[in-house]
Amino acid sequence: DAKTTQPTSMDCAEGRAANLPCNHSTISGNEYVYWYRQIHSQGPQYIIHGLKNNETNEMASLIITEDRKSSTLILPHATLRDTAVYYCIVLAQAGTALIFGKGTTLSVSS
Amino acid sequence: GAGVSQSPSNKVTEKGKDVELRCDPISGHTALYWYRQSLGQGLEFLIYFQGNSAPDKSGLPSDRFSAERTGGSVSTLTIQRTQQEDSAVYLCASSLEELAGVTGELFFGEGSRLTVL
Repeated sequence: DAKTTQPTSMDCAEGRAANLPCNHSTISGNEYVYWYRQIHSQGPQYIIHGLKNNETNEMASLIITEDRKSSTLILPHATLRDTAVYYCIVLAQAGTALIFGKGTTLSVSS
Repeated sequence: GAGVSQSPSNKVTEKGKDVELRCDPISGHTALYWYRQSLGQGLEFLIYFQGNSAPDKSGLPSDRFSAERTGGSVSTLTIQRTQQEDSAVYLCASSLEELAGVTGELFFGEGSRLTVL
C-alpha cells in the first residue's frame, strides 16, 4: 500500500507555480515524505524529501503541514519539461522498500 | 560508468522461454531495487536488496520470478517460463543507505524492455 492519496491529474500554465498536494494522514513519526517524478519513457527521478521541516532545493520546495498529515510539492516556475507523473511516497527508516502509488499526472501547457 | 546500467535494453522472447535481466548498480550503493512497469501502468515493486540483509521479495508476482545479488553488487532478475503478461519495462535502481538510517535518493537505470510473444 502506498499510504498516500494524490489527485489523478493536474494542469498548469507554463511559467506559473505548480502546487501538487499529497495526503498522508496515517504517517508515522519516523516516516519521511519523498517525491519522485517520471517523465514519459524515462526512469523515475528523485526530487526532494523531508521529515517535518519545509525543504527546498534547486528543483522544488516541499511544504509539510505541522501535523504532517499532508504535504505540497511546489515547482515555482513550471516549464513544459516538467510534464510528468509525480509520486508522493512515505517511507520509514532505511531497510524498507520504496513503494510507488499511482501519482499525479501534471500537464504543463503554454 | 557513473549511473545504473541495465542489460539488455531490449529483449524479445517466445512464451515459455527463460530470460535473465542484469543490473549494475552505482559503485558503493548498498541498496538495490527491481521494479516493473507495464505499458501505461505505474511502477510495480518486485524485490529489494539492502546490504547483507535478507532481500524483501514481497513484490515478486509468482515463483517464476527470482533475483539474486552477487557480492553485494551486480543483480540478475530471472523470469522462468515467460508469459505474455510478463511483457513490461523492468527497472533497476540503487541507493546509498545513509548513516542516519534514511533511505537515500534512488538512481534508476534506463530499464530493460521485455516483450514476450
